[in-house]
Amino acid sequence: DVKVTQSSRYLVKRTGEKVFLECVQDMDHENMFWYRQDPGLGLRLIYFSYDVKMKEKGDIPEGYSVSREKKERFSLILESASTNQTSMYLCASSPGQESYGYTFGSGTRLTVV
Amino acid sequence: GDSVTQMEGPVTLSEEAFLTINCTYTATGYPSLFWYVQYPGEGLQLLLKATKADDKGSNKGFEATYRKETTSFHLEKGSVQVSDSAVYFCALSDPYNTGFQKLVFGTGTRLLVSP
Repeated sequence: DVKVTQSSRYLVKRTGEKVFLECVQDMDHENMFWYRQDPGLGLRLIYFSYDVKMKEKGDIPEGYSVSREKKERFSLILESASTNQTSMYLCASSPGQESYGYTFGSGTRLTVV
Repeated sequence: GDSVTQMEGPVTLSEEAFLTINCTYTATGYPSLFWYVQYPGEGLQLLLKATKADDKGSNKGFEATYRKETTSFHLEKGSVQVSDSAVYFCALSDPYNTGFQKLVFGTGTRLLVSP
């Protein structure tokens, strides 16, 4: 069964900490995405990557960065965590064809205190 | 830009009732359309999709038809079960506009089914 695996289901961090959220996919997909999900706002795209070492800003990149050193791994970095970054973070991957849709991970619920 | 509009939730139904969740979209080109489902505490799963006008996507008793003339992709199920309780997201992919496969999501509709 193909999978997108996020390293943590729940995470609690302190304000100002540097936070790493890891995502690994085993489907050899070219594209990978990071979203955050908040009540009433749906899913908002933070960053995406269409190839190794390539990255593009999404709709809400401020306060975040990403790294993709290998095709299967896409990391989201919160440079200095703040309480307004408390959210559910969802990683997804997809092949190059636009009609295939995404495969999502189970999500990481991050709380910044 | 592209956008997806879903009906506000929650939608509350009794078991075996008929379900409709409305979804309309705005897109520049000819998008592909998707429905995703999110069960409590989990990520999103692809439920069904349609890639061109008049296509019908179906899965697990759910159906949705791509209506270009009304720019809609409404989700339907003839008889819901308690296990269908979840949040449902409508989404589109419009590479003509974005130049890249990027999904645009609606805000989600929560479905609550009681026994």
